[in-house]
Amino acid sequence: EVQLVESGGGSIQPGGSLRLSCAAAGFSVSDNYMTWVRQAPGKGLEWVSIIQRDGDIYFADSVKGRFSISRDDSKNTVYLQMNSLRAEDTAVYYCARERDGYTLDHWGRGTLVTVSS
Amino acid sequence: DIQMTQSPSSLSASVGDRVTITCQASHDISTYLNWYQQKPGKAPKLLIYDASNLETGVPSRFSGSGSGTDFSFTISSLQPEDIATYYCQQYDNVFGGGTKVEIK
Repeated sequence: EVQLVESGGGSIQPGGSLRLSCAAAGFSVSDNYMTWVRQAPGKGLEWVSIIQRDGDIYFADSVKGRFSISRDDSKNTVYLQMNSLRAEDTAVYYCARERDGYTLDHWGRGTLVTVSS
Repeated sequence: DIQMTQSPSSLSASVGDRVTITCQASHDISTYLNWYQQKPGKAPKLLIYDASNLETGVPSRFSGSGSGTDFSFTISSLQPEDIATYYCQQYDNVFGGGTKVEIK
């Protein structure tokens, strides 16, 4: 059974850093495209970042230069390193598996990040 | 960038009603459009992929159609468990604004 479990969220002051983890089970992250999507409180879904099978990575303009994405194949885990956090980064962050180039077929339950002084 | 305009932003319907949501792309996206359901406090769930294909395990009352710039998502007979917000998504990872579906 495919399973994704995010962790690492919490409350942080503006300018701080957090690293989110997405532990996968039932498939290999190295064989798939893995995506982070966030949702600010009461708002819609916003794509954040992707790490492709070949290791290529991409980011939304809103986080470019501040966030990085990586994976540890031995732990079957994907990470989202978030630096220089801003209040507008406050959101639930979801990890999702992508198939067929853009279809997000499995999602984790999400982890909440709150950026506030 | 391709923009997605989803409407309505919310709707209220009775159990058993037919419900339709539309999504319009600013440019031709062929059939590269998905629909997701998000229940309160839960993660989104894939319902329809590539405009009209029902994801495995999803009830047949859900359907999608369209190509190019105009797409629609339909619940043929609204059920109480369908209360959720529905999002479209195009291939460039842009989501529509969402449609909140409530029971009248």
